[in-house]
Amino acid sequence: DTGVSQNPRHKITKRGQNVTFRCDPISEHNRLYWYRQTLGQGPEFLTYFQNEAQLEKSRLLSDRFSAERPKGSFSTLEIQRTEQGDSAMYLCASSLVTTKGSRDYGYTFGSGTRLTVV
Amino acid sequence: GDSVTQMEGPVTLSEEAFLTINCTYTATGYPSLFWYVQYPGEGLQLLLKATKADDKGSNKGFEATYRKETTSFHLEKGSVQVSDSAVYFCALSSGTGRRALTFGSGTRLQVQP
Repeated sequence: DTGVSQNPRHKITKRGQNVTFRCDPISEHNRLYWYRQTLGQGPEFLTYFQNEAQLEKSRLLSDRFSAERPKGSFSTLEIQRTEQGDSAMYLCASSLVTTKGSRDYGYTFGSGTRLTVV
Repeated sequence: GDSVTQMEGPVTLSEEAFLTINCTYTATGYPSLFWYVQYPGEGLQLLLKATKADDKGSNKGFEATYRKETTSFHLEKGSVQVSDSAVYFCALSSGTGRRALTFGSGTRLQVQP
């Protein structure tokens, strides 16, 4: 297993276009998280999945954003009608949370997709 | 809600100097605490963690102790190297529900030879 993989690494798009990013988590991890990181800031939580179920969405995730995780494996994050303010690094992370609620969190992050909206 | 405050950078040190990066937090319950490092052009890597009060996390010469009474998790290293130059993020996980990480804004460390 090579860790969490994100594609593409970089994406430049024109304002108003739609973009889609992909995240392939560590195969045995049941949780998948999306974060957004703007320049000079720490990552901010966007949404997360437990297997295929999307359990929470941040207020940062406007109606133009949608995320899916079909079959509980890879995930996609789509941004419709992109705006310049969407320019950021989009990070994916995965972890394994057991039914007994282990406190030994093992988040693994991907290298991110850097989106530039021009 | 949960929040993490860490000292602003950049922090510029000479090689072999002592490093401290301050981190304080606000959280409900008993969070787990983390330090992540981000090297230029790379993703976030877990540096160390502590899951309960008075625990000390350590890795690669870095240490941080979970201080519940002062709600702090300061990062220290006795002798920094040029290769330690990176951005360091303090983070917490509230330990319930979503368990997503809440990050500080990051501290850039520059080590000069």
